[in-house]
Amino acid sequence: GENVEQHPSTLSVQEGDSAVIKCTYSDSASNYFPWYKQELGKGPQLIIDIRSNVGEKKDQRIAVTLNKTAKHFSLHITETQPEDSAVYFCAATSTDSWGKLQFGAGTQVVVTP
Amino acid sequence: KAGVTQTPRYLIKTRGQQVTLSCSPISGHRSVSWYQQTPGQGLQFLFEYFSETQRNKGNFPGRFSGRQFSNSRSEMNVSTLELGDSALYLCATGTSESIGTDTQYFGPGTRLTVL
Repeated sequence: GENVEQHPSTLSVQEGDSAVIKCTYSDSASNYFPWYKQELGKGPQLIIDIRSNVGEKKDQRIAVTLNKTAKHFSLHITETQPEDSAVYFCAATSTDSWGKLQFGAGTQVVVTP
Repeated sequence: KAGVTQTPRYLIKTRGQQVTLSCSPISGHRSVSWYQQTPGQGLQFLFEYFSETQRNKGNFPGRFSGRQFSNSRSEMNVSTLELGDSALYLCATGTSESIGTDTQYFGPGTRLTVL
């Protein structure tokens, strides 16, 4: 089955700096890669996703890149703000996995003013 | 549109009891997936339902079961509770228009504590 590894486990950045979180996956059949942000006491919130036919996707300060050959994808947050502080999860799934997302272990991001 | 609703938000049970959790999907969403989140194991997939049928199942014991109703609302049940079942139980719903890879939206979760 699919295995997703996520690094780093914690990330501390100064407000205004960039943050990068990296994930690798094992199943070459995986073709959908969402990123979720989870704040304390809340469920994961989808922030951006990418499908395997696209190499990069951007939404304001957030971007995701995908390297299918190397089986890794990354989340980039620019101009970080204190409200970006949360746990971020990457995930992967494939067409035949019917609603099953395989999650990374999560990255605790702390943005200090 | 209203988001995914989960009830109850908090539950305290004792070992050996059973529990039923409920998930109401976003209007128009027909797929409901359930996940267990713990500090040690992270987010783990339990099962997924579509049109009242279980389409996919994770690696959990038979004590964990679920069902989906004709209005797409879903319930999951855990019987003979163990201490290790203490977790945040999340459901996620999607339209399932794109087979297997449609966007999933999560509810706030049900925090289950087993004493």
